[in-house]
Amino acid sequence: DAGVIQSPRHEVTEMGQEVTLRCKPISGHDYLFWYRQTMMRGLELLIYFNNNVPIDDSGMPEDRFSAKMPNASFSTLKIQPSEPRDSAVYFCASSRGQGGNEQFFGPGTRLTVL
Amino acid sequence: GENVEQHPSTLSVQEGDSAVIKCTYSDSASNYFPWYKQELGKRPQLIIDIRSNVGEKKDQRIAVTLNKTAKHFSLHITETQPEDSAVYFCAASSLFSGGYNKLIFGAGTRLAVHP
Repeated sequence: DAGVIQSPRHEVTEMGQEVTLRCKPISGHDYLFWYRQTMMRGLELLIYFNNNVPIDDSGMPEDRFSAKMPNASFSTLKIQPSEPRDSAVYFCASSRGQGGNEQFFGPGTRLTVL
Repeated sequence: GENVEQHPSTLSVQEGDSAVIKCTYSDSASNYFPWYKQELGKRPQLIIDIRSNVGEKKDQRIAVTLNKTAKHFSLHITETQPEDSAVYFCAASSLFSGGYNKLIFGAGTRLAVHP
């Protein structure tokens, strides 16, 4: 298995632009998570899905952030409009079944908003 | 909700020494405690985990202990090697109303092992 796949690996954009991050979870995994990692705030859970349905989006910082999972093999995290404080590494992770199972992380997308 | 505190934030040891990282959690309902290792520029990866029905678990040079009464758990690395240098994150699961134990991560410990 190729593991969790994320694209792009690096994104540099200007303030005000729309940014879309993409994730393909491991086949057969029914949970998908979006995390944001910064030096100041550490590793934060933004939102997670179960069987393509958003379960908890309480970590989404504001309305500029949105996430979708149209099918079991694809999810997007969109930021519109982007701001410099959104600069971070965004990780997607997936797991199988109920809690207590390993979350497998993707390689991350390093986002820089100028 | 759950809150996880991790100490120390940085740890420097000599190769061959032991390293101990400690975490405390607030939610007594938490029952799953994984540890992730993140090398520089890489993704977090699970190295060991423990469930609340055991007090200790070992895997070669790595061990984790859990004290449910005190609500703390620790990672122990023996005979450290330079390749152990990384950021280590503890986490705890807090039962969500939907039935899934989402992970709450500690702030991380940057471990440096000097040859």
